[in-house]
Amino acid sequence: DGGITQSPKYLFRKEGQNVTLSCEQNLNHDAMYWYRQDPGQGLRLIYYSQIVNDFQKGDIAEGYSVSREKKESFPLTVTSAQKNPTAFYLCASSPGLAREQFFGPGTRLTVL
Amino acid sequence: QKEVEQNSGPLSVPEGAIASLNCTYSDRGSQSFFWYRQYSGKSPELIMSIYSNGDKEDGRFTAQLNKASQYVSLLIRDSQPSDSATYLCAVNPDSRYKLSFGAGTTVTVRA
Repeated sequence: DGGITQSPKYLFRKEGQNVTLSCEQNLNHDAMYWYRQDPGQGLRLIYYSQIVNDFQKGDIAEGYSVSREKKESFPLTVTSAQKNPTAFYLCASSPGLAREQFFGPGTRLTVL
Repeated sequence: QKEVEQNSGPLSVPEGAIASLNCTYSDRGSQSFFWYRQYSGKSPELIMSIYSNGDKEDGRFTAQLNKASQYVSLLIRDSQPSDSATYLCAVNPDSRYKLSFGAGTTVTVRA
């Protein structure tokens, strides 16, 4: 069953903690993305990766970090430097340049 | 100017009517255009892709693209309560890997 999985579905973080959100895909897609969505707003790009061992900053990369060691995996770390991390985080993948993106189910992060 | 702009909602339509959603984009070199549906609390789901001028139909959905006027639209025919969702327009500017998303238009289909 092909698709994109994200875990956990819900995550609670205390002030000052780093947390890592998981994203895995078995679609054999080269490109992967992380977005943030705040209530009533559109999607904002955090980071994206076109190929293994390479990634680029998106529009709101400050306070976040990523790695792309395997084609299937693109984890996102929300660091303590991110001042307002409470949001819905979406991972996506795409088969290639100028192609559609497919989204995982998302992780809802709440800072306590 | 935002890269992708959608008509502000919410849009309320009676069941069985046509819902019309519009989207304009600023990058004239854009080549790929997508419509996503997002139910409340869920992730976006791709419903239409369009790459060339004209109409593309898929079931009750029709996407229309006019590159000269820099707009893309989505028509939902015979609207059903299950179509109640937020619809996101996405544009691939200048054949890059990134997509630019509009803020979305919320559609409510009333019985």
